Amino acid sequence: RKEVEQDPGPFNVPEGATVAFNCTYSNSASQSFFWYRQDCRKEPKLLMSVYSSGNEDGRFTAQLNRASQYISLLIRDSKLSDSATYLCVVNTNAGKSTFGDGTTLTVKP
Amino acid sequence: DGGITQSPKYLFRKEGQNVTLSCEQNLNHDAMYWYRQDPGQGLRLIYYSQIVNDFQKGDIAEGYSVSREKKESFPLTVTSAQKNPTAFYLCASSTETANSPLHFGNGTRLTVT
Repeated sequence: RKEVEQDPGPFNVPEGATVAFNCTYSNSASQSFFWYRQDCRKEPKLLMSVYSSGNEDGRFTAQLNRASQYISLLIRDSKLSDSATYLCVVNTNAGKSTFGDGTTLTVKP
Repeated sequence: DGGITQSPKYLFRKEGQNVTLSCEQNLNHDAMYWYRQDPGQGLRLIYYSQIVNDFQKGDIAEGYSVSREKKESFPLTVTSAQKNPTAFYLCASSTETANSPLHFGNGTRLTVT
């Protein structure tokens, strides 16, 4: 079993749709959590950190459930520019980052 | 502007040759990392370094070597022992706390034929 698992995708949604991605992790000692966005053939870029109380950044909402060991990312009012691969990342208390395989989103007009 | 610079962007080598990928950062970050990404897959950790003159193997270190002689620099050598070296290589750095996100360079795409 992988340490970090994501919805396999791909997700194909129309503009304006709401889409949610889930990610589960196996290490209960995991310390911090992040969502990254990666465009085709580019480096990953930090989208947002995920806090225990949940957090929102514009159209993006991230939530963490430590008891069930999963995190989620909700995108509201999808834009064409949201098309990318979204990577779930989990840090241990030793600072090691483990990546999920990513979920690909395509937003269509 | 602070950031991480990887060079070159594209690299072509013949099988059996060693090749060194450059990674330099001016973010004053203590920790640096090398990841490998294959098509349709996530990032896998090759090596990481949390302090100068010290580094640890990641999940797929076989066939690779690194050095960390300066805080700013963390070069990766892909040796001829690496069975499938063709991949996208990403260097990252962080402030070396468990809560710190990674900052990535723009990657080196290595093709070995």
